[in-house]
Amino acid sequence: SQQGEEDPQALSIQEGENATMNCSYKTSINNLQWYRQNSGRGLVHLILIRSNEREKHSGRLRVTLDTSKKSSSLLITASRAADTASYFCATDSQGGSEKLVFGKGTKLTVNP
Amino acid sequence: DARVTQTPRDKVTEMGQEVTMRCQPILGHNTVFWYRQTMMQGLELLAYFRNRAPLDDSGMPKDRFSAEMPDATLATLKIQPSEPRDSAVYFCASGWGLAGDTGELFFGEGSRLTVL
Repeated sequence: SQQGEEDPQALSIQEGENATMNCSYKTSINNLQWYRQNSGRGLVHLILIRSNEREKHSGRLRVTLDTSKKSSSLLITASRAADTASYFCATDSQGGSEKLVFGKGTKLTVNP
Repeated sequence: DARVTQTPRDKVTEMGQEVTMRCQPILGHNTVFWYRQTMMQGLELLAYFRNRAPLDDSGMPKDRFSAEMPDATLATLKIQPSEPRDSAVYFCASGWGLAGDTGELFFGEGSRLTVL
């Protein structure tokens, strides 16, 4: 069963704009991760944020985590056509095993 | 450049045939995960191992699927007999995890299975 659910399912923007994707989850977590998948390829890890962190940055990526609302957001600033991909959040369950469960993803299209 | 290697990349087979997918995790990693990806269900966790021991295979249809790690450099996922509904892309991922803390996963490029 999916632990994380991304929103929106699809997002289309113009190059240079910012893209925001959201993830909601159901149970308490140890950490939340974001991954990217280009069409026909494997997933690539972007960023990991722990349950005691509220915000994390990596280059043009900014991730926030609100454990009280059980939600996270991924912001990509100054988007490029090469950012076109599907983005997934993944969570493990606090107090349980370390199995990582993925949401269904947000398909981002950045138009040149 | 360390990476997870999966074989075969593409497999077309007929219903009822046995299918074996192989994965070579990154050297030094202690966790291995098998996922299945379809349009309808997204990424489903089938099984995972830590230090070669199976920890959870609750996502796997037990009657036809089996997952093993005969040694630290090889993980296998077997389907016998295969059915058309098994058609999907199967991903292997490896990482360095501790109990209760998964850490970052490195994914292979996937094995695309088509069962006719």
